[in-house]
Amino acid sequence: DTGVSQNPRHKITKRGQNVTFRCDPISEHNRLYWYRQTLGQGPEFLTYFQNEAQLEKSRLLSDRFSAERPKGSFSTLEIQRTEQGDSAMYLCASRGDTEAFFGQGTRLTVV
Amino acid sequence: EDQVTQSPEALRLQEGESSSLNCSYTVSGLRGLFWYRQDPGKGPEFLFTLYSAGEEKEKERLKATLTKKESFLHITAPKPEDSATYLCAVRQSVNTPLVFGKGTRLSVIA
Repeated sequence: DTGVSQNPRHKITKRGQNVTFRCDPISEHNRLYWYRQTLGQGPEFLTYFQNEAQLEKSRLLSDRFSAERPKGSFSTLEIQRTEQGDSAMYLCASRGDTEAFFGQGTRLTVV
Repeated sequence: EDQVTQSPEALRLQEGESSSLNCSYTVSGLRGLFWYRQDPGKGPEFLFTLYSAGEEKEKERLKATLTKKESFLHITAPKPEDSATYLCAVRQSVNTPLVFGKGTRLSVIA
């Protein structure tokens, strides 16, 4: 499978715990995006990497959120001290010159 | 201020009943309008990209069109397997992220 891969697919965590998600983009894509999606809404942009450089961050990305893309390959999104409002689907997308292709997402539930 | 507005929010069709979904956008300097299909619990699946007014793209029972202010996704003789949420997104410049609408939830009843 040469598509965008996200792990884990599902994560249940207790409030206050830290969680980390991983995204493996399509190998030749240099652009990588993280989005968050809640029920009944479209995906909302969180942050963008071009190669290993984080070029843009949304104001939705609070100080508890951090993302990395070491060596311009896979990316991780960490949420510290999770809150119930962080419950959502976290989507990763990668892009070459034109279209963005999405992974299957990580569903986070904070209890 | 909403940049992308999709209507209707939900649409229920009988199998074979053709219809259209609307996506209105207010961004200037459009560098692409994108349609995605999303099944429950899954990531969006790319369908079409449109770049300029008058452009049309087709894939099976779906046809996307673009004007200077809106895009339509026409569904001809839909089948139950076309049931999904259809998302519209726009990009304002080469490196900016996609801005999505809330989607239209389509149900096709046999």
